[in-house]
Amino acid sequence: AQSVAQPEDQVNVAEGNPLTVKCTYSVSGNPYLFWYVQYPNRGLQFLLKYITGDNLVKGSYGFEAEFNKSQTSFHLKKPSALVSDSALYFCAVREKSGYALNFGKGTSLLVTP
Amino acid sequence: DTAVSQTPKYLVTQMGNDKSIKCEQNLGHDTMYWYKQDSKKFLKIMFSYNNKELIINETVPNRFSPKSPDKAHLNLHINSLELGDSAVYFCASSQVAGIGELFFGEGSRLTVL
Repeated sequence: AQSVAQPEDQVNVAEGNPLTVKCTYSVSGNPYLFWYVQYPNRGLQFLLKYITGDNLVKGSYGFEAEFNKSQTSFHLKKPSALVSDSALYFCAVREKSGYALNFGKGTSLLVTP
Repeated sequence: DTAVSQTPKYLVTQMGNDKSIKCEQNLGHDTMYWYKQDSKKFLKIMFSYNNKELIINETVPNRFSPKSPDKAHLNLHINSLELGDSAVYFCASSQVAGIGELFFGEGSRLTVL
């Protein structure tokens, strides 16, 4: 079975500060890992993914994530947060033999001016 | 040009009615999905089709029936609607079932009264 956990319901950051949104996963074998963002009343937008290769993945809007196999984590990061980054962030995992993505429960990011 | 489009965006209906949600993607993808997002924002896979073939059929009441007339379309029909069916339903597509990221529609908000 594959699963993903986002331990924080909400993350609060001041604008200009670095942000981290945490994600850990549990799959058999090597995972495919994804981050998505959802703005209010919108669909999910793809930010970045880890398939293989370099553990540091760079994505859209200045976000990046680091794949850590020993800690089974895939935390989302950004060096300098913007107020416009405030949204709901989802981590997702797929087994290599699977089709659909399994999503975490989401983490609400609030960036204050 | 909208990549994944769903109609209608909003549905308000009475218990016991039947309703359909339509989804179309113009990305040339082979795989399409239906996800349900509940009031707590939790996302759960319902169905997936790959080249018109059903590949994922999660534990969903059989009142829900997907239909894929061609690989660009995936519709969702719901019979005998119940209060608990109220949610946002997202259609998504991907190029390669496995490593491809999902592209989501804007969602269809179903309210059952």
